[in-house]
Amino acid sequence: DGGITQSPKYLFRKEGQNVTLSCEQNLNHDAMYWYRQDPGQGLRLIYYSQIVNDFQKGDIAEGYSVSREKKESFPLTVTSAQKNPTAFYLCASQGPRGAPEYGNQPQHFGDGTRLSIL
Amino acid sequence: DAKTTQPPSMDCAEGRAANLPCNHSTISGNEYVYWYRQIHSQGPQYIIHGLKNNETNEMASLIITEDRKSSTLILPHATLRDTAVYYCIVKSPYNFNKFYFGSGTKLNVKP
Repeated sequence: DGGITQSPKYLFRKEGQNVTLSCEQNLNHDAMYWYRQDPGQGLRLIYYSQIVNDFQKGDIAEGYSVSREKKESFPLTVTSAQKNPTAFYLCASQGPRGAPEYGNQPQHFGDGTRLSIL
Repeated sequence: DAKTTQPPSMDCAEGRAANLPCNHSTISGNEYVYWYRQIHSQGPQYIIHGLKNNETNEMASLIITEDRKSSTLILPHATLRDTAVYYCIVKSPYNFNKFYFGSGTKLNVKP
């Protein structure tokens, strides 16, 4: 089945530690996104990538980093500079670019990673 | 992108139609209306989207008013598994990074 896989489902971070959240998709989508969701709130965009080897900051990029070396993968690193990392992290994808009406296609989401501080 | 307004919560009896409203009075001509839902501790699930015509799929129907200032998502026969937070989003196809999820409507389907 095609879809978006996020791992791990739960992750714990120690003080001063960087952690990396995995996001893989086999939908042949070009665009990928990372969001953060805090309890009782909507989603906030961290980073997005419209094509391999290119990505842009979203609304709350500070303390996070990403890479897009492969079309299928868009890992997110939560660095020690992110002082309040406890949240639910969601990855999404959209595309492919050549599809009809690419710009209005919906984003499709993974099941998220819940990050907590030890 | 236009802002949306949704009621914070709604109740619906199991087996009845659930009608979830969304106000988007500042929507512009090229902006689409999208609906997603999020069941607790899962990622948002895409339901349906449309521009100005009413749309229907296997999950739901989307009714957009003629002036496009509001829309209604209809779940024709709600089940307990439809209990979730429903988000209405308005977005232009030219803004790839602008899916703004607000607080949504918590739909409680009751037996």
